[in-house]
Amino acid sequence: DAGVIQSPRHEVTEMGQEVTLRCKPISGHDYLFWYRQTMMRGLELLIYFNNNVPIDDSGMPEDRFSAKMPNASFSTLKIQPSEPRDSAVYFCASSPTGGRSPLHFGNGTRLTVT
Amino acid sequence: AQSVTQLDSQVPVFEEAPVELRCNYSSSVSVYLFWYVQYPNQGLQLLLKYLSGSTLVKGINGFEAEFNKSQTSFHLRKPSVHISDTAEYFCAVTSGGGSTLGRLYFGRGTQLTVWP
Repeated sequence: DAGVIQSPRHEVTEMGQEVTLRCKPISGHDYLFWYRQTMMRGLELLIYFNNNVPIDDSGMPEDRFSAKMPNASFSTLKIQPSEPRDSAVYFCASSPTGGRSPLHFGNGTRLTVT
Repeated sequence: AQSVTQLDSQVPVFEEAPVELRCNYSSSVSVYLFWYVQYPNQGLQLLLKYLSGSTLVKGINGFEAEFNKSQTSFHLRKPSVHISDTAEYFCAVTSGGGSTLGRLYFGRGTQLTVWP
């Protein structure tokens, strides 16, 4: 299994630009999570999906952030417009079932907004 | 909401020494507990998990953790560390029974640095 695949690995953009992060979960996993990691706040859950449906988006910081999961094998996290404080590492993770099963993380996208 | 406290942000040790990384969580009726490890420029990987049963849980790379319900702790231990164990370690907790997904709460992480 290829694991959770995220692209791009690195993204550098200017303030005000739109940024799209992509994620391909492990086949057969019903849950998909988006996390953000910064030195200041550690790991923050932004949103998660179950069977492509958003379940909890209370961690999405502002309306500038949006996430979609059009099918079981693809999800996007979009930031429009981007700001320097959005600079962070964004992780996607998937899980076969809820609760008891561990998360499988991708290698992350390091976003730098200048 | 659950919360997780990792008492040490950094733990430096010499190679072959024992190590303990501490984790405390807020209590709940039932909890599932996890330790993850993050190597530089990588995502988190599962080290071990406690779901039920024996309170001593063994994981990969020689790590183990003990669930202590009365002290609401889940400390991670290794009797002899190697330089390759240098990484950041995260404790995480979720609650809920059956197949209901409980939101996974992470601690702030402990950076373990092993010196030769």
